[in-house]
Amino acid sequence: DAGITQSPRHKVTETGTPVTLRCHQTENHRYMYWYRQDPGHGLRLIHYSYGVKDTDKGEVSDGYSVSRSKTEDFLLTLESATSSQTSVYFCAISGGGGGEAFFGQGTRLTVV
Amino acid sequence: AQKITQTQPGMFVQEKEAVTLDCTYDTSDPSYGLFWYKQPSSGEMIFLIYQGSYDQQNATEGRYSLNFQKARKSANLVISASQLGDSAMYFCAMREAQRGSQGNLIFGKGTKLSVKP
Repeated sequence: DAGITQSPRHKVTETGTPVTLRCHQTENHRYMYWYRQDPGHGLRLIHYSYGVKDTDKGEVSDGYSVSRSKTEDFLLTLESATSSQTSVYFCAISGGGGGEAFFGQGTRLTVV
Repeated sequence: AQKITQTQPGMFVQEKEAVTLDCTYDTSDPSYGLFWYKQPSSGEMIFLIYQGSYDQQNATEGRYSLNFQKARKSANLVISASQLGDSAMYFCAMREAQRGSQGNLIFGKGTKLSVKP
């Protein structure tokens, strides 16, 4: 199994509070991704990174920020959580090209 | 416009029969890759198969094959001899090379496959 872990796995937070999700990899892969999964929408890309300090927005980036200060860590921050950000969040890593993306186990975030 | 379209929200197939899950894509990038993933009810994402845009032959992995029709921009997944354990959500995904050497990887909305005994 690819070395990718997400933390926390579950979180309940209140509206308006900041939340940070962490993705950690031990594969030294260049690309890292954050997705959210909601019923009827599949996986939607929030942000991705193609190197240390190199990130770009995805389809649903509003309300989210990311940081990648080390190859192995990719952080997703909700500056002020809203109920619409209740979702399952997946991190993925990839070496690029024809390489498959490996997924973390997901984080279930509930904003109340 | 959607980059990846999966037109079948749900499908049923009889055990031991073959089934085709549809996927069409939209890109102007000559270099791209197409992926299929399986997500069982437990939630993990499982890689199934990959097809590169320059690959001459259709990709195969065990009971999975990818019917790649470049001119039609379709990349259908064929599962032969369906098993009960194949019941899951299936996602088609595309990575474009030019738009990134950044490797943007985008997914369709998925197809829920149910295998009947």
